[in-house]
Amino acid sequence: TQLLEQSPQFLSIQEGENLTVYCNSSSVFSSLQWYRQEPGEGPVLLVTVVTGGEVKKLKRLTFQFGDARKDSSLHITAAQPGDTGLYLCAGDEAGSYQLTFGKGTKLSVIP
Amino acid sequence: GAVVSQHPSWVICKSGTSVKIECRSLDFQATTMFWYRQFPKQSLMLMATSNEGSKATYEQGVEKDKFLINHASLTLSTLTVTSAHPEDSSFYICSASPTDSGNTIYFGEGSWLTVV
Repeated sequence: TQLLEQSPQFLSIQEGENLTVYCNSSSVFSSLQWYRQEPGEGPVLLVTVVTGGEVKKLKRLTFQFGDARKDSSLHITAAQPGDTGLYLCAGDEAGSYQLTFGKGTKLSVIP
Repeated sequence: GAVVSQHPSWVICKSGTSVKIECRSLDFQATTMFWYRQFPKQSLMLMATSNEGSKATYEQGVEKDKFLINHASLTLSTLTVTSAHPEDSSFYICSASPTDSGNTIYFGEGSWLTVV
């Protein structure tokens, strides 16, 4: 069973600050997805990265997939209160649609 | 983008009764759908993989007779919690992957179940 370790588990920062969330595994994933979940709602897909070393940007969010496809990071620039939520990374095993989820990072951005 | 709809969004039922949750892919076909359960402040826990036209595959520790899954068509999967108990109260989420989309998965809005 592949495991994804996500860190930090909790993060509380001031508006305008930058932050990075990490997702690490000892296993190789075919692809890795990042989701954001708000309380009481289902996760919403932010991005999928599939190529080692790939970098994708979504406004103030930058996602990177490690060269060896074992880890990924999410960097948020100039965080805003609207970024508050639970961020989940999820990796998929080769040839399967099943996802292995990290435990999530609960982000609070204080105005 | 692809849309997955879950119904109901929330439901309250009495202990001992059964409740059905539907998961529909609105604008794509999905051979495979997934059912998750989420406890407060925890990540998603995969319960089972629902395969159209065949039996669902349950994760270890999930009672298949209690959580009945039916994937009758390429756009609909249902989860029935039978003889519900208060400990079954949780947030249930389904997801589906378009048949030709690779590994992209779309989640439903989730269903809150409260058993009283």
